[in-house]
Amino acid sequence: LAKTTQPISMDSYEGQEVNITCSHNNIATNDYITWYQQFPSQGPRFIIQGYKTKVTNEVASLFIPADRKSSTLSLPRVSLSDTAVYYCLVGEKAAGNKLTFGGGTRVLVKP
Amino acid sequence: EPEVTQTPSHQVTQMGQEVILRCVPISNHLYFYWYRQILGQKVEFLVSFYNNEISEKSEIFDDQFSVERPDGSNFTLKIRSTKLEDSAMYFCASSAGNTIYFGEGSWLTVV
Repeated sequence: LAKTTQPISMDSYEGQEVNITCSHNNIATNDYITWYQQFPSQGPRFIIQGYKTKVTNEVASLFIPADRKSSTLSLPRVSLSDTAVYYCLVGEKAAGNKLTFGGGTRVLVKP
Repeated sequence: EPEVTQTPSHQVTQMGQEVILRCVPISNHLYFYWYRQILGQKVEFLVSFYNNEISEKSEIFDDQFSVERPDGSNFTLKIRSTKLEDSAMYFCASSAGNTIYFGEGSWLTVV
């Protein structure tokens, strides 16, 4: 299982773009990169998933360089409600596979 | 948007009592999971379930724990004789084979 490293915490201000970089140096060929968001006392919520290059949805963008040894989650124009813990997970996109959570990045959005 | 629903949202129980946490996974999903999160700690995998049997379980999931899919819609986690250290948020999750979706959790407090 590929180990991931991400910052423990980040502060930002409303309206700014937040970029969280995750390192996964030993990512395997079949591994995908998935990001979840968790608010206090709630379950993790799927944000985005990608394999390479760039993926964008209505919530975020995920940038993955060619070597795939890192990835960056980009949250455009954050609001106070984006204050949460963001988890980077790496693993095979195989049916039934479990997720292994690390400590995540605690993002605090200030007014 | 379909959701994983969990009941109860919060339960207080005495040490040594049996607890059953209930979950209704998303209707067309085939893979089911239980995770837990002790206050201030990581989200931890407990067990995965597919085709009416356990696919994988962690070291945490000892003989005190059991899971069951008693009918076509519910998925339950039973803790036979609760201990103080079982106090945590328990998350049910389900998947159709790719993205895993989590419920809002059941807070279990053992006193």
